Amino acid sequence: DAGITQSPRYKITETGRQVTLMCHQTWSHSYMFWYRQDLGHGLRLIYYSAAADITDKGEVPDGYVVSRSKTENFPLTLESATRSQTSVYFCASSELAGRDTQYFGPGTRLTVL
Amino acid sequence: GENVEQHPSTLSVQEGDSAVIKCTYSDSASNYFPWYKQELGKRPQLIIDIRSNVGEKKDQRIAVTLNKTAKHFSLHITETQPEDSAVYFCAASPLSGGYNKLIFGAGTRLAVHP
Repeated sequence: DAGITQSPRYKITETGRQVTLMCHQTWSHSYMFWYRQDLGHGLRLIYYSAAADITDKGEVPDGYVVSRSKTENFPLTLESATRSQTSVYFCASSELAGRDTQYFGPGTRLTVL
Repeated sequence: GENVEQHPSTLSVQEGDSAVIKCTYSDSASNYFPWYKQELGKRPQLIIDIRSNVGEKKDQRIAVTLNKTAKHFSLHITETQPEDSAVYFCAASPLSGGYNKLIFGAGTRLAVHP
């Protein structure tokens, strides 16, 4: 688990501001994922990436942007934060595709005021 | 797209009892079904998984069963202990996107009382 980290761990921002959440993994896993966790909804996939420069939308991509220029990093950007984006965000990685163990980062608790 | 429903949302048992959590999925092509455990304030961690060519899998006190015809799978925890208290998530890997992603259920909060 120490191989995947997220920063910051806590963030408070205001409506309309741009926010970037960072995710870094040291395993050289091909696949990386971003989820948001809200009470009653479990873990919902925002975006995922199969390799550097290859990304695709998940269940709830609206309002988010991702990039993956290097295998080990997968930043998530909220271009103009809204209160509905207040959530806990988890990054995850896996060596193979979805049919493989996903290792989660420690999470980022984001509050949008 | 794939939809995964999980029941119950909360479950309370006495220490030593068994606990069963059930999930149903919609995409009949799904072929990988993991279960994750999330303790309070921690990250989700895989506890067991099953693939579509297997009907049941056990790991000590934990077992998972899969019924592909009915499109449902279940987690069974026997001889529950207080440290089993956590939120449990089931997930399915749909065909869309080339099995690249998981769709999670909403979670079950299990409380084991001493």
